[in-house]
Amino acid sequence: EAGVAQSPRYKIIEKRQSVAFWCNPISGHATLYWYQQILGQGPKLLIQFQNNGVVDDSQLPKDRFSAERLKGVDSTLKIQPAKLEDSAVYLCASTSGLAGGAGELFFGEGSRLTVL
Amino acid sequence: KNQVEQSPQSLIILEGKNCTLQCNYTVSPFSNLRWYKQDTGRGPVSLTIMTFSENTKSNGRYTATLDADTKQSSLHITASQLSDSASYICVVSLFNAGNMLTFGGGTRLMVKP
Repeated sequence: EAGVAQSPRYKIIEKRQSVAFWCNPISGHATLYWYQQILGQGPKLLIQFQNNGVVDDSQLPKDRFSAERLKGVDSTLKIQPAKLEDSAVYLCASTSGLAGGAGELFFGEGSRLTVL
Repeated sequence: KNQVEQSPQSLIILEGKNCTLQCNYTVSPFSNLRWYKQDTGRGPVSLTIMTFSENTKSNGRYTATLDADTKQSSLHITASQLSDSASYICVVSLFNAGNMLTFGGGTRLMVKP
């Protein structure tokens, strides 16, 4: 079974530039999450999708972050314009069935963003 | 406020020794509790998932315990190996329509030879 795929693995940009991350969840997984993980901390939820609908985006800084999952499969997370404090690893995760149920939650390897 | 607190923040042990990591949570109503291992530069990988009716669950040298009454969980690592060096993250699921996940800050374990 293929895992959660993310790209790019690494990205370095200047502040005020834009960046986009892509995630392809495990086939058939209805629920997809984007997390931000700052070095030394646990992941923080940015947005949660159930199929192509948003379940929770309460912690997404909507003035600069946006995410979409148009066909209920792949998802993209965009940051525009980036700030220094956005330097972090962006993790994508997916699970089958209901969000956060007892089903296995699978994470991608993450996309590490450095903002200079 | 739903919170998950882990202790210690970091830990250094010698290879072959045992250790126990702690997780306290205030998430309510509780659905399930998960422990993840995250190697440096990698995504978290699931070790165990426990519902409120489960007191203990093992995965090889990893044994997780859960006391739903005191809202505490522990992860015990037996006969540690160098490859156990990683961050261990406790995640608690809220029993609601969205089953939100609350992450702890993790415990960074270093196993030295």
